[in-house]
Amino acid sequence: QVQLQESGPGVVKPSETLSLTCGVSNYSITRGYYWGWIRQPPGKGLEWIGNIHHSGNAHYNPSLKSRVTESVDTSKNQFSLRLSSVTAADTAIYFCARLVAGTEFDFWGQGALVTVSS
Amino acid sequence: QSALTQPPSASGSPGQSVTISCTGTSSDVGGYNYVSWYQQHPGKAPKLMIYEVNKRPSGVPDRFSGSKSGNTASLTVSGLQVEDEADYHCSSYAGSNTLVFGTGTKVTV
Repeated sequence: QVQLQESGPGVVKPSETLSLTCGVSNYSITRGYYWGWIRQPPGKGLEWIGNIHHSGNAHYNPSLKSRVTESVDTSKNQFSLRLSSVTAADTAIYFCARLVAGTEFDFWGQGALVTVSS
Repeated sequence: QSALTQPPSASGSPGQSVTISCTGTSSDVGGYNYVSWYQQHPGKAPKLMIYEVNKRPSGVPDRFSGSKSGNTASLTVSGLQVEDEADYHCSSYAGSNTLVFGTGTKVTV
């Protein structure tokens, strides 16, 4: 069973950069598939952030593209998210997940709450 | 890229059926047969229930079914059970390697 686990600071100051890492277990990310980030503001719906392949090829939500960078570390079997210039609107639960066929997420991490606050 | 539109809530009694709509545009839902549905219980991660409009992953009960007409996709849960009470989110491929999610629907049993 593929397992994903998000990790990173739970609080980020406004205007700073949010950084999260997703560790993958029981599956090598170099075997294929894209790996994605999705967020959910408290009490609201899901928002797709972006996906990345182990080759480094990435696709981002146009509304966040200017602030998002995703990367992969194949030696640690993990991938990461950086979101710059954060504001209170970026407060959310951030999920990482495996993307299948480029269209659906079949395995998800448990989610990590990130609060933007001074 | 705007969020797909879902009703905020839906409800049904045990044993009944409930249908949730997911309305987009010809650039997403209407343009591709790549609509997915996710079930999310409070405090949990979403779970894939339907993909490619009407396909069920292994282990998902056949009480869950999906369909699409034009720019609107639908999820039907038949024979409602108490454990089906959850939030449901749709998503669609939106072209150019992008995805869009719906606004989410809370189903009460």
